[in-house]
Amino acid sequence: NAGVTQTPKFRVLKTGQSMTLLCAQDMNHEYMYWYRQDPGMGLRLIHYSVGEGTTAKGEVPDGYNVSRLKKQNFLLGLESAAPSQTSVYFCASRSRGYTYNEQFFGPGTRLTVL
Amino acid sequence: QKEVEQDPGPLSVPEGAIVSLNCTYSNSAFQYFMWYRQYSRKGPELLMYTYSSGNKEDGRFTAQVDKSSKYISLFIRDSQPSDSATYLCAMSAYSGGSNYKLTFGKGTLLTVNP
Repeated sequence: NAGVTQTPKFRVLKTGQSMTLLCAQDMNHEYMYWYRQDPGMGLRLIHYSVGEGTTAKGEVPDGYNVSRLKKQNFLLGLESAAPSQTSVYFCASRSRGYTYNEQFFGPGTRLTVL
Repeated sequence: QKEVEQDPGPLSVPEGAIVSLNCTYSNSAFQYFMWYRQYSRKGPELLMYTYSSGNKEDGRFTAQVDKSSKYISLFIRDSQPSDSATYLCAMSAYSGGSNYKLTFGKGTLLTVNP
């Protein structure tokens, strides 16, 4: 099993450009998450999904959109990139459960917006 | 007051030292308490999690939770250079259905010197 994979690993954008980050998991998990990690800020939740076809806003959703068309994939889009979106983006997934279940993280995407 | 407070360090210790990492929290709804380890340029991975107050031991690692003081700790005995990483505390509160909101501390950067 590959676990959680993210594409691309690195990307440099100019202000105003758009891009899509792809997250894929092969663990048949229902829940998927997108976080950003910034120095001194820790991990902050952008958007999440509790199942195929559903998405919800997290703590810092502005400037991002997401889609979950297939259970195994969760896409994060930036329509018009801004320098404030320079960050490391992590995708995570976990199985459904009524007690806590571990979130498994991907390796991250390093995005720089110039 | 932030929900989860964690001293970012950095913390530098000699090999073999006992390391103590700590977090405080303000939200009484937190039920699960976790420690994630994040190596440089990698995604976080779950190290330990506990549900109730008390201690939980796993090899050289001990997680401690004191719900009355809203304080959690991670102890590393006989620290090794391979323990050098950022340690993130995380706490989970039930938020309806089968969903849990996960809140992270900012992380403490630990370096163990040979």
